[in-house]
Amino acid sequence: AQSVTQLDSHVSVSEGTPVLLRCNYSSSYSPSLFWYVQHPNKGLQLLLKYTSAATLVKGINGFEAEFKKSETSFHLTKPSAHMSDAAEYFCVVRANSGNTPLVFGKGTRLSVIA
Amino acid sequence: NAGVMQNPRHLVRRRGQEARLRCSPMKGHSHVYWYRQLPEEGLKFMVYLQKENIIDESGMPKERFSAEFPKEGPSILRIQQVVRGDSAAYFCASSPQAYGSGNTIYFGEGSWLTVV
Repeated sequence: AQSVTQLDSHVSVSEGTPVLLRCNYSSSYSPSLFWYVQHPNKGLQLLLKYTSAATLVKGINGFEAEFKKSETSFHLTKPSAHMSDAAEYFCVVRANSGNTPLVFGKGTRLSVIA
Repeated sequence: NAGVMQNPRHLVRRRGQEARLRCSPMKGHSHVYWYRQLPEEGLKFMVYLQKENIIDESGMPKERFSAEFPKEGPSILRIQQVVRGDSAAYFCASSPQAYGSGNTIYFGEGSWLTVV
């Protein structure tokens, strides 16, 4: 079985400061991991994904995440927050086995203060 | 290439009515997935369909909910005799191939169902 724990339900940062959104996962099989962003009343946009290649994954809008198998973590970071980054972020895991569906974390709401 | 199209974007139904949510996948995509997002929650998998076939419906409630993806036309998620607890955002996603090949799935903008 797969599961995802997003350790913070809400993170608040000042504009221009670093962003860290934490995610731990568990998976019975080798996992694929994703971060999606959701702006209010909008659909989900893929930020980045890890599928067993390089452990440091670069995504859109300056975001990146590092897969750490020993820590079962896939934290999302960005060096400098912009106001437009304020949104809900979801960490997602999928086992690389058969047609197992995506399993979503509960989300972390990022607020950016001017 | 248009993205995944869902309609209606917002739907209000009275308790006991039926709700029908439609999803047109991206061009060339034959795999469709439905997810439900309850308030303050992440998305929960409901059903995975390929043209004319249900591949995995392990996340679908056993009663009142059904889904189809006909040979022609959009995928339909149907909720009969809606109750207040059905109020949620329903997201459709599509992919050109199945999950297992590491493909990204692309989400639509969602359909927000409110049951009054």
